[in-house]
Amino acid sequence: GIQVEQSPPDLILQEGANSTLRCNFSDSVNNLQWFHQNPWGQLINLFYIPSGTKQNGRLSATTVATERYSLLYISSSQTTDSGVYFCAVELGGNKLVFGAGTILRVKS
Amino acid sequence: GAVVSQHPSRVICKSGTSVKIECRSLDFQATTMFWYRQFPKQSLMLMATSNEGSKATYEQGVEKDKFLINHASLTLSTLTVTSAHPEDSSFYICSASTGGTYEQYFGPGTRLTVT
Repeated sequence: GIQVEQSPPDLILQEGANSTLRCNFSDSVNNLQWFHQNPWGQLINLFYIPSGTKQNGRLSATTVATERYSLLYISSSQTTDSGVYFCAVELGGNKLVFGAGTILRVKS
Repeated sequence: GAVVSQHPSRVICKSGTSVKIECRSLDFQATTMFWYRQFPKQSLMLMATSNEGSKATYEQGVEKDKFLINHASLTLSTLTVTSAHPEDSSFYICSASTGGTYEQYFGPGTRLTVT
């Protein structure tokens, strides 16, 4: 089956720093989503991004479908950005396959 | 918009009993709902896909007789864990798709502990 790899697995940032999270996938996909799972377990939709670039406040994402990767940029990080960031690729039948996640900790 | 709720948020049950978890789309109609399981410090694993009015489709390795899924309406899906055992303890999360773009929206999850 398809492989979804996220890097880095863990990341510690000082508040105010910028970071880039990466998601590689091994086969063509219909779509890609980025999520933030907060400490209480809720998954929050960040981006629905099959290709191109989108921005939402301090976050932006770029997907290059032809090269099978997506990047999530976090600028001016805040402690509330802490949590786990997942990318998930959409296969046929609207199924999502999740990467292992990047655990982000932002220190004040 | 696109809010999904789950109930209960946390449940503790004794081994051998059954537990029902509800998933509701509050402000949209969900033609398709999904059930995931997440073990501590791991990623989400899809258990099954359910479409309103039809039988659920289970992923390989998921016992359909143990995890009963009912999708009775366009806003409600239920997952019943039958004859629960301690190894079924996990975080269960549902999601719902609006159709169209097929973006999935997730519920807050249900933490099941089987003693």
